[in-house]
Parts: sequence; C-alpha cells; structure tokens
Amino acid sequence: DAGVIQSPRHEVTEMGQEVTLRCKPISGHDYLFWYRQTMMRGLELLIYFNNNVPIDDSGMPEDRFSAKMPNASFSTLKIQPSEPRDSAVYFCASSLQGFSYNEQFFGPGTRLTVL
Amino acid sequence: AQTVTQSQPEMSVQEAETVTLSCTYDTSESDYYLFWYKQPPSRQMILVIRQEAYKQQNATENRFSVNFQKAAKSFSLKISDSQLGDAAMYFCAYRGGYGGATNKLIFGTGTLLAVQP
Repeated sequence: DAGVIQSPRHEVTEMGQEVTLRCKPISGHDYLFWYRQTMMRGLELLIYFNNNVPIDDSGMPEDRFSAKMPNASFSTLKIQPSEPRDSAVYFCASSLQGFSYNEQFFGPGTRLTVL
Repeated sequence: AQTVTQSQPEMSVQEAETVTLSCTYDTSESDYYLFWYKQPPSRQMILVIRQEAYKQQNATENRFSVNFQKAAKSFSLKISDSQLGDAAMYFCAYRGGYGGATNKLIFGTGTLLAVQP
C-alpha cells in the first residue's frame, strides 16, 4: 500500500489567498484525521471523520478553516482567506477501526507558508 | 480534559548508550492507550511503541521499551544501544477509550533527541 498521500508537500502563498490541502487515506481505512503542527502549539487535532462524516471539529481554529470528505478516498482542508499565522505543517492521518489498536498512519505532511 | 506533558525539550546521548525520555499525562479515564512517536527531519510521524493501560507488563519493541506507571500517570521511553538514526523529535501521545469510543490523539510538546557519535 502507498500509505497516506498528501499534496502538495510544500505550499507558499500570500496572505488573503485560498489554500487547499489534499489527502488520500490508506485504502479501506474508515477514519481520517487532520492535524496541525507549529512550534508554538505543537501537534493539535483539527478535525476527524468517520466513514466520511465529520465527528469532531472542535479543533478547527476559526471559520476560515473548512474540511470535507466527499468520498472514502479523498479529503480536503481549505483555508480562506489565509493568514501568516496559518503557517504550519499540516498532517493527514488515517486508521481502520479494530485494526492494530486503531493505529493512526500519518502522511508526510504539507508545509504551508503564508507570506 | 486530558493533557500530556514532556518536560525535557532536548536530550543528548552518546552512540551505543541508553537514554530515557519522560512523559506524564493527566486523565480521569481508566481505559486508554499511550504511544511514542518519532519524527525525524523528514517530518514523517513514525509509531515507535504503544501501551494499553490495562496491561501491567511494559511494552518492548527491540531496543525501545517503556516504563508505564499507571498510578503515577507516567510513561517513559527507554532507548537502548542508541544509534545515529535514533536522532529525532519524540512525541508522547494519549488516546482515550477502547473500541473506537474516541480516536483523538493528544500529543505532548516533544523531546528533541540528539545522538553523539
């Protein structure tokens, strides 16, 4: 299996622009997670889905952030408009209920820089 | 709310020596999992070892082992025979509940481990 795939790996944009991060989970996994990693706040969960349905979005920082999972093999995290404080590494992870203690498998991350 | 604390921002160890990374957590739950993740410069998050709270026996994976003290809410990671490839950021993480009751991972702030040749 190819593992969790994220694109792009690096994104540089200007303040005010829309940013879309993409994730393809491991085939067959039924949970998908979006995390953000910054020096100040460490690794924090933004939102997670179960069977394409958002379960907990309490970590989404504000209305500028939105996430969707239109099908089992694709998810997006959108920031509109972007701000410099959104600069971070964004990770996507997936897991399968009942497999290996619901271990989460992480993608390589997207490094976002907002100028 | 659950919290995870790693009090050592940085650690250093000589190659072939042993090092212990500390982690404490706070929870009111009785059932939970604890994890150690490794993040090398490539940024990839790699699961190193996990511990189920109901198990008294400490988990071991090759050169990696944990000291799980449930009453003290302590979960330290011991790396034996340290290798240059062990140099990375190490995160302690908590996940509550069994059977997928909750799948949220709560991470500590990390410990940056340097391995000296």
